[in-house]
Amino acid sequence: AQTVTQSQPEMSVQEAETVTLSCTYDTSENNYYLFWYKQPPSRQMILVIRQEAYKQQNATENRFSVNFQKAAKSFSLKISDSQLGDTAMYFCASSNFGNEKLTFGTGTRLTIIP
Amino acid sequence: DAGVIQSPRHEVTEMGQEVTLRCKPISGHNSLFWYRQTMMRGLELLIYFNNNVPIDDSGMPEDRFSAKMPNASFSTLKIQPSEPRDSAVYFCASRRTRTDTQYFGPGTRLTVL
Repeated sequence: AQTVTQSQPEMSVQEAETVTLSCTYDTSENNYYLFWYKQPPSRQMILVIRQEAYKQQNATENRFSVNFQKAAKSFSLKISDSQLGDTAMYFCASSNFGNEKLTFGTGTRLTIIP
Repeated sequence: DAGVIQSPRHEVTEMGQEVTLRCKPISGHNSLFWYRQTMMRGLELLIYFNNNVPIDDSGMPEDRFSAKMPNASFSTLKIQPSEPRDSAVYFCASRRTRTDTQYFGPGTRLTVL
């Protein structure tokens, strides 16, 4: 079974600063995917970024990037030049290669301060 | 292309009543997932379908919950009878292929009084 742990229940940062959200996971699989989803107050679950475990290169999407450390089973999300619209709950999630089920962490509530 | 569509967005009902939640996946997506989000248990998978066939319903809490997918463009999650502990946000998600990302609908907030 997969488990995902987010140890930071809440974080806050000034607008335009950089913030890093932590995530660790545990899986017995060799092929798997990792995701960060964003849930703003509207409660819509929005995909932020995705990483395939077999790829060594860290995924990047504009201001969002990950630091994927496979041996350490760590998958942190870095948000650069943070914006007010980044205020949301952020969930780390994992799935096996067949992507049959997403296992979510408990989330980190991120607040961007003007 | 439209995203995953869920209805209703909000549902308030009384204990013992039947509740039906609806989902229309993204066109061309072959898999559909139902998740539930609560403060106590976080986000958890209830059931998922591949090509309209239920594959894993081990997350369905009990017999009061049932899900159907009569065709590729429609699924329902039914609770009968509903109980206050069923109050949660219910998400539907779909994906195109087994290696594709799951895309979520806006969710249905269910309140059972």
